[in-house]
Amino acid sequence: KAGVTQTPRYLIKTRGQQVTLSCSPISGHRSVSWYQQTPGQGLQFLFEYFSETQRNKGNFPGRFSGRQFSNSRSEMNVSTLELGDSALYLCASSSWTGNTEAFFGQGTRLTVV
Amino acid sequence: ILNVEQSPQSLHVQEGDSTNFTCSFPSSNFYALHWYRWETAKSPEALFVMTLNGDEKKKGRISATLNTKEGYSYLYIKGSQPEDSATYLCAFEDTGRRALTFGSGTRLQVQP
Repeated sequence: KAGVTQTPRYLIKTRGQQVTLSCSPISGHRSVSWYQQTPGQGLQFLFEYFSETQRNKGNFPGRFSGRQFSNSRSEMNVSTLELGDSALYLCASSSWTGNTEAFFGQGTRLTVV
Repeated sequence: ILNVEQSPQSLHVQEGDSTNFTCSFPSSNFYALHWYRWETAKSPEALFVMTLNGDEKKKGRISATLNTKEGYSYLYIKGSQPEDSATYLCAFEDTGRRALTFGSGTRLQVQP
């Protein structure tokens, strides 16, 4: 079956702009989580959506937001971009049926200039 | 703030060597401990999800053990091969939250 798909793969934006990243989970998976990786930092949890509801949120400012659609696809939005938002953004999907294994996409590399 | 630590930070071994890494995590509110392998330019790939104290899991030449009472897990690679070169991440999943707290990883390089 198809894996987790993230679009776009690469993005260059200017400070102050906003950006929307997309994640299509594995078919049948209802949980989608987002993570940020910056140089020198491990993967940092942003938020998790399940059945269109945000269930958990990491320690990020309100400029970071997300949503999930009825088909489980998820989008992440970052407004008023800062240079420090340059990072690899990964999403992961899981089925939430006892096996908590998460399947990751290849990520979106965001560069803010 | 949950603290998940991995050691060593990096490791260079020769082909055929066996190696192991450590992951330490909080011993309270434990739900699961995940191990991932992350090769350059690829997605992190799940190796193991471990939930029970004393759990031992094995996949080919890679195995892992879990001690939830003292808050550590070991990942072992027997007879390392160049294709094992990757960053190995552990992630702690606590009760009540569907979020993974990752360690900073162990970067393994296997020389042919």
